[in-house]
Amino acid sequence: NAGVTQTPKFQVLKTGQSMTLQCAQDMNHNSMYWYRQDPGMGLRLIYYSASEGTTDKGEVPNGYNVSRLNKREFSLRLESAAPSQTSVYFCASSEMVTVSNQPQHFGDGTRLSIL
Amino acid sequence: DQQVKQNSPSLSVQEGRISILNCDYTNSMFDYFLWYKKYPAEGPTFLISISSIKDKNEDGRFTVFLNKSAKHLSLHIVPSQPGDSAVYFCAASPEMNYGGATNKLIFGTGTLLAVQP
Repeated sequence: NAGVTQTPKFQVLKTGQSMTLQCAQDMNHNSMYWYRQDPGMGLRLIYYSASEGTTDKGEVPNGYNVSRLNKREFSLRLESAAPSQTSVYFCASSEMVTVSNQPQHFGDGTRLSIL
Repeated sequence: DQQVKQNSPSLSVQEGRISILNCDYTNSMFDYFLWYKKYPAEGPTFLISISSIKDKNEDGRFTVFLNKSAKHLSLHIVPSQPGDSAVYFCAASPEMNYGGATNKLIFGTGTLLAVQP
């Protein structure tokens, strides 16, 4: 049972480089999310996709773009990486965007360092 | 401005005793609350949730209490086990859509629970 798979698990970039973080889920979920976790900040929502073909900004979208490639895959792109984007990135999915009894399932994260 | 606050960064309890993790929120419009558990190098895992129409929800050893007037919720783990040692995140749903509270969650900063054998 793979659930939510994130690749890569670790990445080091130089300032100004671009990078795409990949996320795929095999639970046939409609909604997908990208969060970042920083020390002392908890998880913060970057972007989400309520359903295939739609994307919306979350709390901290600046510096990121997303693509909902199909129902399974939701990618996060850093066009010009900055040291402030050093973080652990988590992808999540849920059956619907309505929380009720449909909590999010998370991947194991991508640890990204930008020098 | 932290809308969901977990003021205790860490908590240590003895195996078999009760663990109480606390969470405060600032927005009285928050309608749905969740607790997630996270082990190192893994993603958060859903633990238990509560709607604002309830004041208690129980699932096995885990109980969440909600005090709306105080904008406070707590997670009780009884009895605590060494395998419960993890970071616990409180989360709130700040937004409603036609179906109810959404999964666009606001997380607290987490509390590291250590259960001593």
